[in-house]
Amino acid sequence: QKEVEQDPGPLSVPEGAIVSLNCTYSNSAFQYFMWYRQYSRKGPELLMYTYSSGNKEDGRFTAQVDKSSKYISLFIRDSQPSDSATYLCAMIDTGGFKTIFGAGTRLFVKA
Amino acid sequence: SAVISQKPSRDICQRGTSLTIQCQVDSQVTMMFWYRQQPGQSLTLIATANQGSEATYESGFVIDKFPISRPNLTFSTLTVSNMSPEDSSIYLCSVEDRLEGTGANVLTFGAGSRLTVL
Repeated sequence: QKEVEQDPGPLSVPEGAIVSLNCTYSNSAFQYFMWYRQYSRKGPELLMYTYSSGNKEDGRFTAQVDKSSKYISLFIRDSQPSDSATYLCAMIDTGGFKTIFGAGTRLFVKA
Repeated sequence: SAVISQKPSRDICQRGTSLTIQCQVDSQVTMMFWYRQQPGQSLTLIATANQGSEATYESGFVIDKFPISRPNLTFSTLTVSNMSPEDSSIYLCSVEDRLEGTGANVLTFGAGSRLTVL
């Protein structure tokens, strides 16, 4: 079983839709939860991070962590064609500095 | 955050040959990381490169196949040796920054080098 599971998609939505991207994980020691965004022919870049459980909002983006279910989500409101990218979830445990990535979900937002 | 330049951005290689990827950072960093990104798979750490010492390889990756150099604090190379089609992938260089007020590190990546092995 992989430590982090993420549906690779692709996910195609119309402009303006609410997008929900999700990851599940198995290691209860994970404490930092991140979302990276990767545009075509670019490297991943950090989009958001949260520590432990709870929600964090940044503009149209909301990151949610449910440690009891080992489930994290990224919501994108009013999605735009410029949001079309691959979104990778990533996690770090409390003890180390190693980042474990999900496979990434490809998102297409159609104008 | 650091700015990372990688080259080549892409290449098509013949089976059995070797290719060296270069990574240049605009600031001095202690550790540099090399990742592999295969279609539909998780970003996978190949090795960690410290200046002045041997690179540390993750399980499943060996120095003979992926030799790494780290001659100074701003530069590193990764060589993919004796390539086969299974080595076709995106290879990414990265460095880390500590998230302010936390115990976690954030990674900054180069644009990647897309290798196709025929």
